[in-house]
Amino acid sequence: GAVVSQHPSWVICKSGTSVKIECRSLDFQATTMFWYRQFPKQSLMLMATSNEGSKATYEQGVEKDKFLINHASLTLSTLTVTSAHPEDSSFYICSARRQRVGSNQPQHFGDGTRLSIL
Amino acid sequence: LAKTTQPISMDSYEGQEVNITCSHNNIATNDYITWYQQFPSQGPRFIIQGYKTKVTNEVASLFIPADRKSSTLSLPRVSLSDTAVYYCLVGRMNRDDKIIFGKGTRLHILP
Repeated sequence: GAVVSQHPSWVICKSGTSVKIECRSLDFQATTMFWYRQFPKQSLMLMATSNEGSKATYEQGVEKDKFLINHASLTLSTLTVTSAHPEDSSFYICSARRQRVGSNQPQHFGDGTRLSIL
Repeated sequence: LAKTTQPISMDSYEGQEVNITCSHNNIATNDYITWYQQFPSQGPRFIIQGYKTKVTNEVASLFIPADRKSSTLSLPRVSLSDTAVYYCLVGRMNRDDKIIFGKGTRLHILP
């Protein structure tokens, strides 16, 4: 089955640091990937849609200068949390959908990245 | 994007069949219904997807009435390891179509 991998799974860093999270589709190509964040006991909140070779589309209220998204290849999207602060601490999850013309494909999710800013 | 409504939480016992119903009154013609399972500190895992009537796989069944305004996820003979949050999602499954998560149902299986 489709596999989406995230790295790192856990990161702890000081306030003011920039943190990069990678999302890879391991056995399929994905022109579109999605980034979510999730706070404890809450549902996933869509942050942005990452498009290969073009700019990401951000949801309302998500700062594009704060959360930089790069989708440089068909199998890799990165989310960089710039100048992270404690309020950015959260669980970040990416997803991707296999590209198949004429069929409906569910999204496959990575196992998430736990970001803790001290 | 169709809005979904699910029970916030449910309790059941090991060995029982669990049915979780999701309402999606404004589902569109091209929308599919997809269910995901999420354990703590993990990403959601795909369970099952359907468009109409009934779909069954090795882990669950999905029942969709003719009007498609609701759907029921059926988990046969649950075990403690089925304790998780279950999300019902409705939308087109094309490449660029985003999915908005509702609150999900927190299922707690008791011994």
